[in-house]
Amino acid sequence: LAKTTQPISMDSYEGQEVNITCSHNNIATNDYITWYQQFPSQGPRFIIQGYKTKVTNEVASLFIPADRKSSTLSLPRVSLSDTAVYYCLVGDLNDMRFGAGTRLTVKP
Amino acid sequence: DTGVSQDPRHKITKRGQNVTFRCDPISEHNRLYWYRQTLGQGPEFLTYFQNEAQLEKSRLLSDRFSAERPKGSFSTLEIQRTEQGDSAMYLCASSLLAGVQETQYFGPGTRLLVL
Repeated sequence: LAKTTQPISMDSYEGQEVNITCSHNNIATNDYITWYQQFPSQGPRFIIQGYKTKVTNEVASLFIPADRKSSTLSLPRVSLSDTAVYYCLVGDLNDMRFGAGTRLTVKP
Repeated sequence: DTGVSQDPRHKITKRGQNVTFRCDPISEHNRLYWYRQTLGQGPEFLTYFQNEAQLEKSRLLSDRFSAERPKGSFSTLEIQRTEQGDSAMYLCASSLLAGVQETQYFGPGTRLLVL
């Protein structure tokens, strides 16, 4: 499983766009990139998944450059309720290894 | 609510007791996963099933941990002779494997406290 590297924490303000970048230099050809959000005392919640270029859904966008060695989760116009830990996962879901994630704090 | 349920949501037990947790996955999902999560860390993979077959169990934390998925539906995770270090959140996830793409949906977790 490709190792991922994310910032430990980020701060933002309500209404701003937040971009969280994940590095995965050893990503394999068949690997997908998946992002999860987790609130305290809850299980992780699927946000978005992609393979290449750009994926957008109702809550986020995922940007993946051509070399796929990194990816950026973009959260538009964050609110206080987006304060959570965000995990980037890459590769074989038979061997999911979560890192410590990125703790996003949204301030008023 | 992802559709994955876990029971109980909280469990307090004394050291040395056995505990069993249950996970009910999304009904059409063929894969079921168990994770452990300690404070400040990401979830740690323990084991998974495809239908009723347990395809990976080498990462169960010790031989005190075991999991079953009879008939490929719900699953149970048992911890025998609990220790204080077993205190953690135990998460279950399910997915439908389709080709090479798969998305896991997590339940709310069972929080275990061993006194």
